[in-house]
Amino acid sequence: DTGVSQDPRHKITKRGQNVTFRCDPISEHNRLYWYRQTLGQGPEFLTYFQNEAQLEKSRLLSDRFSAERPKGSFSTLEIQRTEQGDSAMYLCASSLTTGLNEQYFGPGTRLTVT
Amino acid sequence: AQSVTQLDSQVPVFEEAPVELRCNYSSSVSVYLFWYVQYPNQGLQLLLKYLSGSTLVESINGFEAEFNKSQTSFHLRKPSVHISDTAEYFCAVSDRNSGGSNYKLTFGKGTLLTVNP
Repeated sequence: DTGVSQDPRHKITKRGQNVTFRCDPISEHNRLYWYRQTLGQGPEFLTYFQNEAQLEKSRLLSDRFSAERPKGSFSTLEIQRTEQGDSAMYLCASSLTTGLNEQYFGPGTRLTVT
Repeated sequence: AQSVTQLDSQVPVFEEAPVELRCNYSSSVSVYLFWYVQYPNQGLQLLLKYLSGSTLVESINGFEAEFNKSQTSFHLRKPSVHISDTAEYFCAVSDRNSGGSNYKLTFGKGTLLTVNP
């Protein structure tokens, strides 16, 4: 399967702990996106990379959130000092730069903060 | 700024009945339009998209959507649904202008389609 993969699929953590999620995009895709989806809502844009450069961060992404894509391939999303409000599904997507920006989504990481 | 409104949060229908899932958008610029489907415990999958040309677009599994610029709508329809169509459906837009925020998808809240036997 050469789709977008995310790890872990589920994460339960206690409030105040740090968590890190990983996303592996489709290999030839140079754009990578992170979205967050809470219950009853559609996905909301968090941040976006073109190759290794992080080009935009939503104001939803507080200072406790950091994302990296060190070699322009996989990406990590870290949340420090987690809060209960961080509980959500974190979705990763990737796309080509050329063409019409069709984004392919991974299965998501479901975070539960207790 | 862009926004997407999906007017129905839940749509229950019987198998083989027709269905329409409504989507309206608001944008100050021209947009691309998408429908994504999310089956239980799976990621989002692109169902169909409107980029340009014919305002009626079709998917391989019988869904179609029509772009109506004057009504800023992109409703999704299927003439006869199957139980396997049970899923959550999300309408999304992105800015079509190159150099703009055309990388960012703005989603509606989703419509849960439940097909009953």
